[in-house]
Amino acid sequence: DTEVTQTPKHLVMGMTNKKSLKCEQHMGHRAMYWYKQKAKKPPELMFVYSYEKLSINESVPSRFSPECPNSSLLNLHLHALQPEDSALYLCASSQVLAKGGNQPQHFGDGTRLSIL
Amino acid sequence: EDQVTQSPEALRLQEGESSSLNCSYTVSGLRGLFWYRQDPGKGPEFLFTLYSAGEEKEKERLKATLTKKESFLHITAPKPEDSATYLCAVQAATSGSRLTFGEGTQLTVNP
Repeated sequence: DTEVTQTPKHLVMGMTNKKSLKCEQHMGHRAMYWYKQKAKKPPELMFVYSYEKLSINESVPSRFSPECPNSSLLNLHLHALQPEDSALYLCASSQVLAKGGNQPQHFGDGTRLSIL
Repeated sequence: EDQVTQSPEALRLQEGESSSLNCSYTVSGLRGLFWYRQDPGKGPEFLFTLYSAGEEKEKERLKATLTKKESFLHITAPKPEDSATYLCAVQAATSGSRLTFGEGTQLTVNP
């Protein structure tokens, strides 16, 4: 079992739906991440939150909207997605070092998203 | 631009047949090199962090080593449960929190 919990595990939605992915960690980590992973490819970074503030947005389309309500929770709000957005969405967390850089990122098992 | 190349893309071993996976990297100031294992339908599982050339880490049948240009993941006497995709990632001093991943090596260990 991983220490980063993602819900739901699977999600099927139409292109006009609005849904949210949720991620929770209780390791005291202050950096949290969203990644997108296509089959047989490595994870691609989407967003990074550091101390609950958005620090990196990798030019992700606005139909993906991240939110970090507190230090343990991370959400990804989805709206008007396209079929090519079907993928495994991974959440990760890590400690933040005072000298800069981060400790290893720990991943959840992801949400498998299918867009009809 | 930071780059990570993993080889081979796929590797088939017999149970007990030791081998090594390679991760070559070019990065502007290495802050850390990370090895992950990923099983189908799961998220990457953290294995090791290496910070400087000459460093080695071990865990059960796995041993990771680091030079200034590459890292090796040595697998000694593998078992079928070691079958997975192994991902290498680097963090550069200039890239903040970003990890640059390689494409991975898909390892299959046959009984």
